[in-house]
Amino acid sequence: DIQLTQSPSSLSAAVGDRVTITCQAGQDISNYLNWYQQKPGKAPKLLISDASNLKSGVPSRFRGSGSKTDFSLTITSLQPEDIATYYCQQFENLPWTFGQGTKVEI
Amino acid sequence: EAELVESGGRLEPPGGSLRLSCAASGFTFSLYDIHWVRQSPGKGLEWVSVVEPSGDAYFAASVKGRFTISREKAKKSVYLQMNNLTAGDTAMYYCARVSQFVGAFDVWGQGTMVTVSS
Repeated sequence: DIQLTQSPSSLSAAVGDRVTITCQAGQDISNYLNWYQQKPGKAPKLLISDASNLKSGVPSRFRGSGSKTDFSLTITSLQPEDIATYYCQQFENLPWTFGQGTKVEI
Repeated sequence: EAELVESGGRLEPPGGSLRLSCAASGFTFSLYDIHWVRQSPGKGLEWVSVVEPSGDAYFAASVKGRFTISREKAKKSVYLQMNNLTAGDTAMYYCARVSQFVGAFDVWGQGTMVTVSS
């Protein structure tokens, strides 16, 4: 199984701050990585696919980058509605795996 | 609008069985892979299983041999049959559609809660 290691596990930032979450894969997964946002009591929501493609309708302050084993999700200006847990997920091969999550607080 | 609705979750004793359902609407069901992803209380996301339009299915090692998955075209539904349940299966179970264009879960259901406890 491909292990994904996210860091940090949690962070606290102020409104307007630039926030970066990293996701490291245990092996080369090319750009087969997605990012999801999950708010309490809700299902996850796709933000970014293929490492850097912003899903239609997702605010442009969310940016994804990286390839092979090292990836990052950046929120360029944190907003109150961005309070959530963020997960990376690989689809290089089955079983698809998720990172352990990063909880973002204000 | 594409939508998935899960049902069937409940409290079940260890060793019991449950069948979860995932009903699809708003899209051409026969074209999409449908997955199950679970989340134990306060924990992260864990991939469980997938059924392809062909009926081919794959499972996580933690459920292989205990869970089966099927799909019914006429009812636009996917079913997860869960046998020999253990406390470790306690979780919110989500079904999710994989985009036709990228390997990403682009539509999720609201989830159905399975609790395994005596």
